[in-house]
Amino acid sequence: GIQVEQSPPDLILQEGANSTLRCNFSDSVNNLQWFHQNPWGQLINLFYIPSGTKQNGRLSATTVATERYSLLYISSSQTTDSGVYFCAVITSGTYKYIFGTGTRLKVLA
Amino acid sequence: DAGITQSPRHKVTETGTPVTLRCHQTENHRYMYWYRQDPGHGLRLIHYSYGVKDTDKGEVSDGYSVSRSKTEDFLLTLESATSSQTSVYFCAITSDRTRGYTFGSGTRLTVV
Repeated sequence: GIQVEQSPPDLILQEGANSTLRCNFSDSVNNLQWFHQNPWGQLINLFYIPSGTKQNGRLSATTVATERYSLLYISSSQTTDSGVYFCAVITSGTYKYIFGTGTRLKVLA
Repeated sequence: DAGITQSPRHKVTETGTPVTLRCHQTENHRYMYWYRQDPGHGLRLIHYSYGVKDTDKGEVSDGYSVSRSKTEDFLLTLESATSSQTSVYFCAITSDRTRGYTFGSGTRLTVV
């Protein structure tokens, strides 16, 4: 089956710094989502982004489907950005998203 | 999350006992999913449903069964709980399998 790899696995930033999280996938995908899991365990959908670029405030995401990767950019990071970021992909003919193992982000005040 | 609730939120049970987790939605979404989350593994799909009485297995379905007798409820049953099933269980819903998910708040299950 498809493999989804995220990097880096862990990231520590000082408040105000920028960061880029990467998601590589081993096969063609129909769709891709980025999620944030906050320290309380809640999973929040950030972007539904099968291709192209989207922005939402300090966060933006780009997916280059032909090259099988997606990037999540966090600018001017805040302590509330801490948590785990997951990407998940869905391939043609399936009903299910396959998740990467996540990037754990800690933003220090 | 609005429109999706999981119950119970926390449960401790003994090895060998049956356990049922409930996912309830008010969105009338067709697709429902059960995932488990464990350190180092991310989220792994247990079972999913693409309609009433239509279910299928995911990556880690052994030891689990599901039922969906009506659109709004998707039940996950551990027939005989084992310590390896200690995990956090998340339910997700979507109206279109090619689009985004909404997750429930999770159920933390401990099997002792």
